[in-house]
Amino acid sequence: DAGVTQSPTHLIKTRGQHVTLRCSPISGHKSVSWYQQVLGQGPQFIFQYYEKEERGRGNFPDRFSARQFPNYSSELNVNALLLGDSALYLCASSFSGGEIGGTQYFGPGTRLTVL
Amino acid sequence: QKEVEQNSGPLSVPEGAIASLNCTYSDRGSQSFFWYRQYSGKSPELIMFIYSNGDKEDGRFTAQLNKASQYVSLLIRDSQPSDSATYLCAVNPYNQGGKLIFGQGTELSVKP
Repeated sequence: DAGVTQSPTHLIKTRGQHVTLRCSPISGHKSVSWYQQVLGQGPQFIFQYYEKEERGRGNFPDRFSARQFPNYSSELNVNALLLGDSALYLCASSFSGGEIGGTQYFGPGTRLTVL
Repeated sequence: QKEVEQNSGPLSVPEGAIASLNCTYSDRGSQSFFWYRQYSGKSPELIMFIYSNGDKEDGRFTAQLNKASQYVSLLIRDSQPSDSATYLCAVNPYNQGGKLIFGQGTELSVKP
């Protein structure tokens, strides 16, 4: 079975631009979470979606938004890019929406560089 | 105080030794705890999860949880050079859906 897939793998943007990152969860999983990982740090939670509804939001500015589609895939959008948005963006897939046992499996990530 | 704390390392152990990785967390209501392994330039890979106090073993890996002390650890027996990676501790806080809070990770180096 295919794992979590993300696209694109790498992306280079300039300050002020907009970016859309995409994620497809493991087949049968209904929840997608997004994390940002900067070099040397652990991933930071951005959003969780379950059954197409937002279940949680991390401490990120409104420039960050996301949505989940009927097929459970998801998009993360970032507007007005800043240099500090350069990071590895990780998508995690889980079957449940966060009850005990909601094990999350990560995709390969999208490496975003903002110049 | 950080919500999830780990020693950043690097932790260096000889091949065949036991590597011990530690993690403390601040939310006493946390109920689910996870260990991920991350190789340089790659995404985190789930190693183990634990929910109940005590030990949980899976092959060479043992996770230990002590909720009273707000402490979770990972032991790696018979360490191999291929175990060299950053190990991330993640905690699911109480009543926050599927949100995971990660520590900064501990870099492990296993020397042949």
